[in-house]
Amino acid sequence: GENVEQHPSTLSVQEGDSAVIKCTYSDSASNYFPWYKQELGKRPQLIIDIRSNVGEKKDQRIAVTLNKTAKHFSLHITETQPEDSAVYFCAASSQAGTALIFGKGTTLSVSS
Amino acid sequence: SQTIHQWPATLVQPVGSPLSLECTVEGTSNPNLYWYRQAAGRGLQLLFYSVGIGQISSEVPQNLSASRPQDRQFILSSKKLLLSDSGFYLCAWSVRTATEAFFGQGTRLTVV
Repeated sequence: GENVEQHPSTLSVQEGDSAVIKCTYSDSASNYFPWYKQELGKRPQLIIDIRSNVGEKKDQRIAVTLNKTAKHFSLHITETQPEDSAVYFCAASSQAGTALIFGKGTTLSVSS
Repeated sequence: SQTIHQWPATLVQPVGSPLSLECTVEGTSNPNLYWYRQAAGRGLQLLFYSVGIGQISSEVPQNLSASRPQDRQFILSSKKLLLSDSGFYLCAWSVRTATEAFFGQGTRLTVV
């Protein structure tokens, strides 16, 4: 089955800096890669996703890149703000697969 | 619009006691349904998923079970809880595989 590895587990940046979180997946059939943000005590919520027929997607300060050959994808947050502080999860799923398989999460702390 | 309800929000149970967590989805038909568990440092672990009534797939062998008695109802159960069952349990739904999953508010379970 699918296995998703996520790095780093914690990330501390200064406000205004960029943050990058990286994930690798094992199943070459995976074709959907979402990123979720979970604030303390709340449910995870989708912030951006990408499908395997696209190499990059951007939404304001957030972007995701996908390298199918290397089987890795990354989340980029530019001009970080204190409200970006949260746990971020990557996930992967194939059309024929079971469900979203998540990485172990990255705790992002943005200090002002 | 679609909504997902999960209850209770918090639960404290003694070791060896039974468990029943319920999740219902409104505003959609034949959703894919999922149970995830979130433990510290382990990310979002897929426990069970269902693509239809009575169809349950287990991802992790354990003393938990799941049932889907109705199209939009998903129940997580245990006959005898273990200390290791403590965690944050999240129900989720999606239209189909490889699409966005929407999470419920979660149940914080503490086994004492």
